[in-house]
Amino acid sequence: DAGVIQSPRHEVTEMGQEVTLRCKPISGHDYLFWYRQTMMRGLELLIYFNNNVPIDDSGMPEDRFSAKMPNASFSTLKIQPSEPRDSAVYFCASRYGDSNTEAFFGQGTRLTVV
Amino acid sequence: AQTVTQSQPEMSVQEAETVTLSCTYDTSESDYYLFWYKQPPSRQMILVIRQEAYKQQNATENRFSVNFQKAAKSFSLKISDSQLGDAAMYFCASNSGGSNYKLTFGKGTLLTVNP
Repeated sequence: DAGVIQSPRHEVTEMGQEVTLRCKPISGHDYLFWYRQTMMRGLELLIYFNNNVPIDDSGMPEDRFSAKMPNASFSTLKIQPSEPRDSAVYFCASRYGDSNTEAFFGQGTRLTVV
Repeated sequence: AQTVTQSQPEMSVQEAETVTLSCTYDTSESDYYLFWYKQPPSRQMILVIRQEAYKQQNATENRFSVNFQKAAKSFSLKISDSQLGDAAMYFCASNSGGSNYKLTFGKGTLLTVNP
């Protein structure tokens, strides 16, 4: 398996534009996590899914952020409209089953909003 | 709610020496798991070691070992015979069992290895 695949690796956009980040989890994994990493806040969990169903979105900063998982092999994180303070590295991770198993991370998307 | 605290924003160690990174956590769950992840400059998150809370024996993976003190809710990482390739950001994480499978991270410790 190629691991967790995120696209794009880098994204530069202007304030007010819509941004969509994409994630393909490892095949067979039933948990998918979206994290945001900044210097100030570290790694924050935004939302996670189990079997394509959102379980906890309490980490989503505001209504401008939304996430979907239409099927087991694809998830998106959308920011509309984007703001400069959204600039961060966004990670997607997936895991199979039990909570003691390893979560595998993608390479992250570095988002810059100017 | 889970919280994970890493009190050392930065640490440094001489090559071949030993260093210990600190982590404390708080959880209301009785069944949980603890992890250390490494993030080198490539940005990739790599699992270093994991510990099940119900196991009293400290986990060990080659040069990496943990000191798990359940009563104190402490989970420190010891790196022996430090190598230049160990230089990275290290994150402590906790993952509760039960109905809550969140993986919560600390803010990280940046480790520098001096030749």
